[in-house]
Amino acid sequence: QKEVEQNSGPLSVPEGAIASLNCTYSDRVSQSFFWYRQYSGKSPELIMSIYSNGDKEDGRFTAQLNKASQYVSLLIRDSQPSDSATYLCAVNRGDTGRRALTFGSGTRLQVQP
Amino acid sequence: DVKVTQSSRYLVKRTGEKVFLECVQDMDHENMFWYRQDPGLGLRLIYFSYDVKMKEKGDIPEGYSVSREKKERFSLILESASTNQTSMYLCASSSPVDGNTEAFFGQGTRLTVV
Repeated sequence: QKEVEQNSGPLSVPEGAIASLNCTYSDRVSQSFFWYRQYSGKSPELIMSIYSNGDKEDGRFTAQLNKASQYVSLLIRDSQPSDSATYLCAVNRGDTGRRALTFGSGTRLQVQP
Repeated sequence: DVKVTQSSRYLVKRTGEKVFLECVQDMDHENMFWYRQDPGLGLRLIYFSYDVKMKEKGDIPEGYSVSREKKERFSLILESASTNQTSMYLCASSSPVDGNTEAFFGQGTRLTVV
């Protein structure tokens, strides 16, 4: 079992719709969770972080965390063609001071105009 | 503005060459990381460093070594490059101060070994 699992996609949604991206992780002691966006040929950039159970909203983005189910999701409201990218879920591991992120293989999102 | 800079955007090297990939960050971060990214495999951790001269192996350290002589600089070394090391290499840094900060990435180095 991979430590962080994501559906590779592509996930195709029409412009203006809600895109829902999902991620599961295997290490129960994981504490911090991140969503990165990566455009083709570019490096990952952070769009959301979440540390406690529940929802966290930032503009059109909402991250959801359920530690009991070991599940993290990202919702993108009012999807735009510029949101078309690969979305990487990342989970921290290691002890304090040595945190290295473990990444899923990413979900490719396509927003159709 | 935070910045992680990798020395080369593209590199082409021959099999058996010793290759150095350099990374510099200006954020005074303690942690620095080297990942490689391959299609379908995502980002895999090669090595990380949590302090000057300190290093720990990641998931795929074989064929690689690292050096951190100064806090801002973290180098990845391919002792004898092989074609299966053709990949995108990403350097990142983070600060452990509050334990939950994100990693900032450099622009990546696309290495081709021929």
